[in-house]
Amino acid sequence: EVQLVESGGGLVQPGGSLRLSCAASGFTFRTYWLSWVRQAPGKGLEWVANINQDGSEKPYVDSVKGRFTISRDDAKNSLYLQMNSLRAEDTAVYYCATLKPYGDSIDYWGQGTLVTVSS
Amino acid sequence: DIQMTQSPSSLSASVGDRVTITCRASQSVRTYLSWYQQEPGKAPKLLIYAASSLQSGVPSRFSGSGSGTDFTLTISSLQPGDFATYYCLQAYSAPWTFGQGTKVEIK
Repeated sequence: EVQLVESGGGLVQPGGSLRLSCAASGFTFRTYWLSWVRQAPGKGLEWVANINQDGSEKPYVDSVKGRFTISRDDAKNSLYLQMNSLRAEDTAVYYCATLKPYGDSIDYWGQGTLVTVSS
Repeated sequence: DIQMTQSPSSLSASVGDRVTITCRASQSVRTYLSWYQQEPGKAPKLLIYAASSLQSGVPSRFSGSGSGTDFTLTISSLQPGDFATYYCLQAYSAPWTFGQGTKVEIK
């Protein structure tokens, strides 16, 4: 059974940093594209970033470029999102997810971790 | 960026009704279009991928169609567990973009 468990969310002040982690199990982690998607309170879904199998492709949504970094550690079956220079508008539940093999959709989702940016 | 416009933004329907939700892309996304169901407080769930392929384990009352810029999600006979919010997603080009969502409520 595929399991994705996010951690690292919490309350952070504007301008601060946070690192989200996602522990994966139940599938061959190193062979999958992975993704972060977020959802602001009461709002819709927003794709944040993807990472391919060897980490050489990492597209981001424009609003986080230069501030967020997606990375992976295949030895630990873990996905990460380093978030710097956080803003109030980054407040959201952050989901980690796997992509289908052809990369055309988001397959499995974690339960999400809440990030709140506020003073 | 490719804009995804879903309609309607909400609808009221009864158990047993046929429900259709549409998603229009601002430019062609070929068939790189998927549909998700999200219940309150839960993670989204993949229903349809590649515009018309049913995800494993998803009931056959869900179906998708379309290509290029116009897509449809149909629920042939609405069931109690189907009252949720539905999103489309284009994965043709980065940045990937979701529709704004369609909330399906009980009439």
